[in-house]
Amino acid sequence: GAGVSQSPSNKVTEKGKDVELRCDPISGHTALYWYRQSLGQGLEFLIYFQGNSAPDKSGLPSDRFSAERTGGSVSTLTIQRTQQEDSAVYLCASSSERDGPQFFGPGTRLTVL
Amino acid sequence: AQTVTQSQPEMSVQEAETVTLSCTYDTSENNYYLFWYKQPPSRQMILVIRQEAYKQQNATENRFSVNFQKAAKSFSLKISDSQLGDTAMYFCAFMKQRSNYKLTFGKGTLLTVNP
Repeated sequence: GAGVSQSPSNKVTEKGKDVELRCDPISGHTALYWYRQSLGQGLEFLIYFQGNSAPDKSGLPSDRFSAERTGGSVSTLTIQRTQQEDSAVYLCASSSERDGPQFFGPGTRLTVL
Repeated sequence: AQTVTQSQPEMSVQEAETVTLSCTYDTSENNYYLFWYKQPPSRQMILVIRQEAYKQQNATENRFSVNFQKAAKSFSLKISDSQLGDTAMYFCAFMKQRSNYKLTFGKGTLLTVNP
């Protein structure tokens, strides 16, 4: 079956612009995660969605970051007023159960000029 | 908070040989999961192996096996009969049970398999 997909694959933007990153999880997976991978910080958890429950936003680095998940499926990560330190690969993962293995998408490489 | 340490930034091995990647972690939890993920140059994170902390038996997946030492908080990955396609960044990860189930990753080990 289809894996986790993310779009765009690469995004170049100017400092101060807003960006939206999209994640399509594996069909039927109730859990969805966003992570950020950067050279300096490694892999960091950003946000977690489980079914219709309120998301766990404890990993979001600032209020410029937000995410939503519509209909329990597709998720969008939005970064407002992008800064150069936001440059990273943003990875999405989904899981069929809370403590199950997470399956990752190919990521979106964000470059803020 | 949990921490995961991978002390080998880079390793290399000859094709067909065996290599072991190290991982240690620090936690006060008793119930948790440990994972090894592989990230080739394509950037796709691929699950290699998963270990439940309550299981004493070490997990194996074909050429991949782990040595899980709970008391020592050690979780090493052994790759047997290394193949060129095993060249990748390998990440050790920790997940606490009954939490937000987020993964806490180590910094990774870049493994190069040489022909």
